[in-house]
Amino acid sequence: SQELEQSPQSLIVQEGKNLTINCTSSKTLYGLYWYKQKYGEGLIFLMMLQKGGEEKSHEKITAKLDEKKQQSSLHITASQPSHAGIYLCGADEGGTSYGKLTFGQGTILTVHP
Amino acid sequence: DSGVTQTPKHLITATGQRVTLRCSPRSGDLSVYWYQQSLDQGLQFLIQYYNGEERAKGNILERFSAQQFPDLHSELNLSSLELGDSALYFCASSPTQVSSYNSPLHFGNGTRLTVT
Repeated sequence: SQELEQSPQSLIVQEGKNLTINCTSSKTLYGLYWYKQKYGEGLIFLMMLQKGGEEKSHEKITAKLDEKKQQSSLHITASQPSHAGIYLCGADEGGTSYGKLTFGQGTILTVHP
Repeated sequence: DSGVTQTPKHLITATGQRVTLRCSPRSGDLSVYWYQQSLDQGLQFLIQYYNGEERAKGNILERFSAQQFPDLHSELNLSSLELGDSALYFCASSPTQVSSYNSPLHFGNGTRLTVT
């Protein structure tokens, strides 16, 4: 089955700094999803990447999927306290997986004002 | 607000008991997914239903069962509860059987289950 490894496990940055979170898959990804979770709350959909080399941006967050479709990165520019939370990558195996997502362990982001 | 409603928000019960968690998907969504989130296991897929039928099964224990009703709401039943079942249980929904950019999974705020 699909396994996703996220790094780092946690990250503490000063407001205004840039940061990158990585997600590596043991298999070729059919679809890669990024979600954000605030402590004790539900997951909020950020972006989905499907094509090798694809890059998407939303506000100050940019996600990329490598050409081999086995690694994705999430980059936050000029971080703000509102960016704090847990970032999870989720993989869609396609085919008969029927849309279920397998998630990485998450990266806990703390942004100090 | 994702549009996915889960009740109750918190549940405290004793070992050996049985509980039912409820989920109302977003309007128009036919697929419902159940996930369990714990500190040691992370976010684990349990089961998926599409329009009333089971579509995919993950690491769901035999003590757990789920169903999706004609009005599309879903219930997750947990029985013979153990301390290790304490976790955050999420429901997610999507319009179709498969997720995509146009129809990603939308998650509820979860039910926090504490087994004492």
